[in-house]
Amino acid sequence: KQEVTQIPAALSVPEGENLVLNCSFTDSAIYNLQWFRQDPGKGLTSLLLIQSSQREQTSGRLNASLDKSSGRSTLYIAASQPGDSATYLCAPNTGGFKTIFGAGTRLFVKA
Amino acid sequence: DAGVIQSPRHEVTEMGQEVTLRCKPISGHNSLFWYRQTMMRGLELLIYFNNNVPIDDSGMPEDRFSAKMPNASFSTLKIQPSEPRDSAVYFCASSNRFYEQYFGPGTRLTVT
Repeated sequence: KQEVTQIPAALSVPEGENLVLNCSFTDSAIYNLQWFRQDPGKGLTSLLLIQSSQREQTSGRLNASLDKSSGRSTLYIAASQPGDSATYLCAPNTGGFKTIFGAGTRLFVKA
Repeated sequence: DAGVIQSPRHEVTEMGQEVTLRCKPISGHNSLFWYRQTMMRGLELLIYFNNNVPIDDSGMPEDRFSAKMPNASFSTLKIQPSEPRDSAVYFCASSNRFYEQYFGPGTRLTVT
């Protein structure tokens, strides 16, 4: 059974810092991995999707990497801003639409 | 595209009442998911449909929960009878052929 761990559980940083959010998963036989952000009281917004054959994906200040063999993914946020404050969730998909979500990293960026 | 649409956004009901949550997926997406989110258990997959057919309902907690997808543009999640422990945020999501999921805004259910 796939288990997903996200570290750290919470993070508080000053504006402008570059930061890394970590995700590890136990079943490396994934089809893809998706990173989401969730603002308080809101739904999940898809940030990046990495296919199993890819090593990384970039969107603006966000860069996600995937090391399938070691069961790890990282989300890199450059030049963090207060608007980046949210919970970030990692979700590997093992095919058959089995997507398991991590508990998330709660990020707070101080102005 | 309007994204995934859910209704109602908030629902407050009394224990024992029937609750029906509704979802309209993104046009062209062939898979639909229902999730439940609570502080204690996080995000849980309840059921998913592919081409309107339920594929896996192993996450449905009890027989009080049922879900239907009569056509490609509409799905319902029904709880009958509702109980206070059903209080949660219920999300609907749909996915494209690349298995990328898009979530609706959720329905916040409170059962008193």
